[in-house]
Amino acid sequence: SQQGEEDPQALSIQEGENATMNCSYKTSINNLQWYRQNSGRGLVHLILIRSNEREKHSGRLRVTLDTSKKSSSLLITASRAADTASYFCAPGFKTIFGAGTRLFVKA
Amino acid sequence: EAGVAQSPRYKIIEKRQSVAFWCNPISGHATLYWYQQILGQGPKLLIQFQNNGVVDDSQLPKDRFSAERLKGVDSTLKIQPAKLEDSAVYLCASSASGNQPQHFGDGTRLSIL
Repeated sequence: SQQGEEDPQALSIQEGENATMNCSYKTSINNLQWYRQNSGRGLVHLILIRSNEREKHSGRLRVTLDTSKKSSSLLITASRAADTASYFCAPGFKTIFGAGTRLFVKA
Repeated sequence: EAGVAQSPRYKIIEKRQSVAFWCNPISGHATLYWYQQILGQGPKLLIQFQNNGVVDDSQLPKDRFSAERLKGVDSTLKIQPAKLEDSAVYLCASSASGNQPQHFGDGTRLSIL
């Protein structure tokens, strides 16, 4: 198992702007997942990208994976106030969650 | 499909008391996880079950924490006796297998006085 390290720790943007958060990990993986956690709720699985994929889209989410740099990024386009949450990456299924990126979207 | 159900939603106890949390995973999910999430941190895995067997309990403080998954369905997590540092949210998650994304419940927020 390994831990994903999210960066930045916190991000504050205006509604309508794009939000980008990054994840780094240390050892090779078969896949990487992103989860969202709204205040007072459990984590929600957003998207899974496999190691043979470089980019994946789901609605307003775009995830990239660079296995050579052992990094991933999550882009949320046209952010909404409802996107305010903590975002966690999970390298592989046997993962240790990091502290996440706290995103605050101002209306 | 119904999500992961947890109860109670909130619990306040005094230190040295005991407490139990209950989790009902998504129907058919073989893998069940218990996490502890301290404010401002990510979830920390306490124990992972595959059906009714323990896969990983390396981070479970076994002198005070115990968990069981009878019949490979529902699960309970118990703390006895509780310490102040156990104040946290306890999250339960399930997945179809250990190689599938996890589905989380909304957790039990435990406050120790």
